[in-house]
Amino acid sequence: NAGVTQTPKFQVLKTGQSMTLQCAQDMNHNSMYWYRQDPGMGLRLIYYSASEGTTDKGEVPNGYNVSRLNKREFSLRLESAAPSQTSVYFCASRNHRGVYEQYFGPGTRLTVT
Amino acid sequence: AQKITQTQPGMFVQEKEAVTLDCTYDTSDPSYGLFWYKQPSSGEMIFLIYQGSYDQQNATEGRYSLNFQKARKSANLVISASQLGDSAMYFCAMREPMGNDYKLSFGAGTTVTVRA
Repeated sequence: NAGVTQTPKFQVLKTGQSMTLQCAQDMNHNSMYWYRQDPGMGLRLIYYSASEGTTDKGEVPNGYNVSRLNKREFSLRLESAAPSQTSVYFCASRNHRGVYEQYFGPGTRLTVT
Repeated sequence: AQKITQTQPGMFVQEKEAVTLDCTYDTSDPSYGLFWYKQPSSGEMIFLIYQGSYDQQNATEGRYSLNFQKARKSANLVISASQLGDSAMYFCAMREPMGNDYKLSFGAGTTVTVRA
């Protein structure tokens, strides 16, 4: 049981380049999320998916797109990277029982130069 | 408007002593949940403890306890008998309804350094 996995762990992009961050969970969770973490600001929600086939914007969606490929996988795409998107990106999925806690992947550290 | 406020950017604590991390929140929803997560230097986010708005008793999980004062809208984390492995950043978060799902709103975090 791997939990939430993310690839890649590190990435350096030049301004204007595109890339896709991959996320998968094996806990049969319906809801999945993408956050970004910037120094001094905690985590902020970019996009979320409440179920397979649905996606919605979070607090900071500009410059990103997402795809919920199936129940397990939720990807985040940067079409034209900007230095302001330098951050650590976390994928999470949510338990639909109990207290609804979110389980996080190990994160992707992205630098845009 | 910031919904979760953590006013302590960094704290030092002596090994084996207790430390309290402050968290205040703002919501008008009567049903909400409060979480604490730990982020060690390796970067992963680890769920520690949860308190529901309707829970009558303060939550406890091993050496972690949550001092929930609903009227003051505070949910402070207490770590007892600190260990070197407790050195990490700690985030307070609040669960709120969002569309047909829930989201977590996070505070800015508090860095705890445990001294031997």
